[in-house]
Amino acid sequence: DQQVKQNSPSLSVQEGRISILNCDYTNSMFDYFLWYKKYPAEGPTFLISISSIKDKNEDGRFTVFLNKSAKHLSLHIVPSQPGDSAVYFCAASENNNDMRFGAGTRLTVKP
Amino acid sequence: DSGVTQTPKHLITATGQRVTLRCSPRSGDLSVYWYQQSLDQGLQFLIQYYNGEERAKGNILERFSAQQFPDLHSELNLSSLELGDSALYFCASSVDPRGAGNTIYFGEGSWLTVV
Repeated sequence: DQQVKQNSPSLSVQEGRISILNCDYTNSMFDYFLWYKKYPAEGPTFLISISSIKDKNEDGRFTVFLNKSAKHLSLHIVPSQPGDSAVYFCAASENNNDMRFGAGTRLTVKP
Repeated sequence: DSGVTQTPKHLITATGQRVTLRCSPRSGDLSVYWYQQSLDQGLQFLIQYYNGEERAKGNILERFSAQQFPDLHSELNLSSLELGDSALYFCASSVDPRGAGNTIYFGEGSWLTVV
């Protein structure tokens, strides 16, 4: 039962342009959403989060948008840099319990 | 370096065998989580322990079991292995038993290949 879905397995963008990674969820009880970044041979690391009481959270080049009615969130990276090339996992939880992860999107930023 | 240590990093074994994956959490973290990442699958939550007690169970097969020891390290036991068990197994730890997202730290994972 995939409660969190990332339908794009990969994304390629040019350096300096915007990267938009998308995530959909099915459980309306989810109230906390996160993005994790994973480099090869490393574990995932926390990137940015958003609570369901907000619709936007920004941290430097990274912004997460939440559309609760559509059960959709997205991660925007502006401007994209080659060092951003990694696998990005979307995750969601209900009351901060038991995170559920998506399948991940592999982002490649070309110089 | 997240501070979460997993061993072994790589393991190749035959179908029907049993293996044990080991995890040492970050110093001071009481919660340990196990996740499985298969090809084309996200991080599937398997099980969580908090201070030695099982706290939450996810999509963990009956052939799999885990425990957390008094020194807080954890082991994930996988038995009667099948080809489909080949995956990357992550351990994560946190201080907060609820596993609030940005306080979860992941290890580098243990690659299991079943042949």
